[in-house]
Amino acid sequence: NAGVTQTPKFQVLKTGQSMTLQCAQDMNHEYMSWYRQDPGMGLRLIHYSVGAGITDQGEVPNGYNVSRSTTEDFPLRLLSAAPSQTSVYFCASSYSAGLYEQYFGPGTRLTVT
Amino acid sequence: SQQGEEDPQALSIQEGENATMNCSYKTSINNLQWYRQNSGRGLVHLILIRSNEREKHSGRLRVTLDTSKKSSSLLITASRAADTASYFCATDADTGGFKTIFGAGTRLFVKA
Repeated sequence: NAGVTQTPKFQVLKTGQSMTLQCAQDMNHEYMSWYRQDPGMGLRLIHYSVGAGITDQGEVPNGYNVSRSTTEDFPLRLLSAAPSQTSVYFCASSYSAGLYEQYFGPGTRLTVT
Repeated sequence: SQQGEEDPQALSIQEGENATMNCSYKTSINNLQWYRQNSGRGLVHLILIRSNEREKHSGRLRVTLDTSKKSSSLLITASRAADTASYFCATDADTGGFKTIFGAGTRLFVKA
């Protein structure tokens, strides 16, 4: 099993550009989530999904969109990149929400200039 | 807002010593989890403790939970240089367990 994979590993965007961060898992997990991690801070939840076709907002959803058309994939779209979105983005999945550990991808380091 | 707050922010110890990290949270929880993050990597799950449990062990890790004080501690015994990492507590922020809230973490440095 590859676990949770994320692409790209690094990305530089100019302000106003849009892009999609890819996330895929091969563990047949129902729950998937996106976090951002800023220097010296913990992770903040952006969006999450409890199954294909079902998504909801986390703590910091503004400026980001998600969709979940399949169990495996959970892409994160930046609509119009801003310097405040410079961060490391982590995707995670778990068997279900609640009392289950989350498996994390390796992260995408995004810089917006 | 952050549900979990770790203390201390940073900890430096010698190899072989024990390391204790604390986490406090604000609202009632169903469970609390501890994760480790090596520099530049994703988080790795260490241990989960449910709200009706008081203590849990996994290898050199010991986690305690005091729901009356809304606090948890992670003890790593006989630390090794490979334990150098950031450690985060995470709690469920809603009754459905759909949202996990992470603290800012404790940076542990174990000197060989």
